[in-house]
Amino acid sequence: EVQLLESGGGLVQPGGSLRLSCAVSGFSFSSYALSWVRQAPGKGLEWVSGISGSGGWISYADSVKGRFTISRDNSKNTLYLQMNGLRVEDTAVYYCAKSLTSSWTAPATMDVWGQGTTVTVSS
Amino acid sequence: EVVLTQSPGTLSLSPGERATLSCRASQSVSSSYLAWYQQKPGQAPRLFIYGASTRATGIPDRFSGSGSGTDFTLTISRLEPEDFAVYYCQQYGNSRLSFGGGTKVEIK
Repeated sequence: EVQLLESGGGLVQPGGSLRLSCAVSGFSFSSYALSWVRQAPGKGLEWVSGISGSGGWISYADSVKGRFTISRDNSKNTLYLQMNGLRVEDTAVYYCAKSLTSSWTAPATMDVWGQGTTVTVSS
Repeated sequence: EVVLTQSPGTLSLSPGERATLSCRASQSVSSSYLAWYQQKPGQAPRLFIYGASTRATGIPDRFSGSGSGTDFTLTISRLEPEDFAVYYCQQYGNSRLSFGGGTKVEIK
């Protein structure tokens, strides 16, 4: 069974940092691109960042570029999101999600999602 | 950046009725990379349609997707009680992904 389990969320002050992790099992981790997607309270989905299976392709939404860094450790089957310079508007549930197919460099469509981890940025 | 606009924002229908959800893109989108997700309260999104018209694993055939270019549609032929939820369209292009704002399908 394919599973994605996010962790690392919590309460942080504006300007602070957090590192989210997404532990994966049930598929060939290094073969699939992955994404982080967030959802602010009561709002819609917002794509945050994506990374290819090898880590050679990386992309960010404009709203987080320069503040967030996505990475993966294929030896540990884990995806990361380092979040620096956090703002109140970064408050959201953060989901990691797996690309539908291994043949895509980018996670163009996501077929399996974790349950999310909550990040709250507040003073 | 491709902006996806979903309409209507809320659709109030009764079980058994037909639902038609629209997703309009600010520029042409590859059909290969147009997807629809369902989300229920407190749950993660679930992939329903990919490649604009292909149902994901386990999705019943009352759900269908269509469209090309800038206009895409998700149709639910006969609403079942479990179909009342929020639906999002999503696209990939130019190394970026984006979601529409969502359509809530609620019980009338």
